[in-house]
Amino acid sequence: QVQLQQWGAGLLKPSETLSLTCTVYGGSFSAFYWSWIRQLPGKGLEWIGEINHSGNTNYNPSLKSRVTISVDTSEKQFSLKLSSVTAADTAVYYCARERDANSGYPLDYWGQGTLVTVSS
Amino acid sequence: EIVLTQSPGTLSLSPGERATLSCRASQSVSNSYLAWYQQKPGQAPRLLIYGATSRATGIPDRFSGSGSGTDFTLTVSRLEPEDFAVYYCQQYGSSPLFTFGPGTKVDFK
Repeated sequence: QVQLQQWGAGLLKPSETLSLTCTVYGGSFSAFYWSWIRQLPGKGLEWIGEINHSGNTNYNPSLKSRVTISVDTSEKQFSLKLSSVTAADTAVYYCARERDANSGYPLDYWGQGTLVTVSS
Repeated sequence: EIVLTQSPGTLSLSPGERATLSCRASQSVSNSYLAWYQQKPGQAPRLLIYGATSRATGIPDRFSGSGSGTDFTLTVSRLEPEDFAVYYCQQYGSSPLFTFGPGTKVDFK
């Protein structure tokens, strides 16, 4: 059974860097791409970016200048950093696994979500 | 960027009724790389349908997906009390790689 467990700071001040990590339990780590998604308060879902075990990344162009996603394959972890946060970055952040290409990469396993609040 | 539009915004129904949710894309979705998710308050989204028509593991057969190109539909044949939630469609393939629709809320009439 695959489980994703995420953690990181939940309260930040403007201009600080958001930092979250997701650990994967069960299943293969190297066979998949891994994503970060966020959900703004009371709103829909926004994809942030993805990474694979080799460190290949793709980012949402709207956030690309501030986002870094990294991987630690030995620990089966991947991490998100979002710099220069503002109140507009307040959201629930999720990590998720992308299923295979034949399926069209749907997000089939999700972390529990972390509420990140940016406030002075 | 492919923009997904979902309708209606809210669907008010009773248990046992049929729910039909629509997702329309601004451009054709490659290879029917269209998925549907269910989200309940305080929970992460749950994958229901992928490849427009395939049910994810453990999803009851009252959930079905159809469509191709720019028009897709999620149908719940007979609503159970646990099906009242928000449903999102999502496409893969165009930059940004993943985009989501704004969601349809299915609530009690």
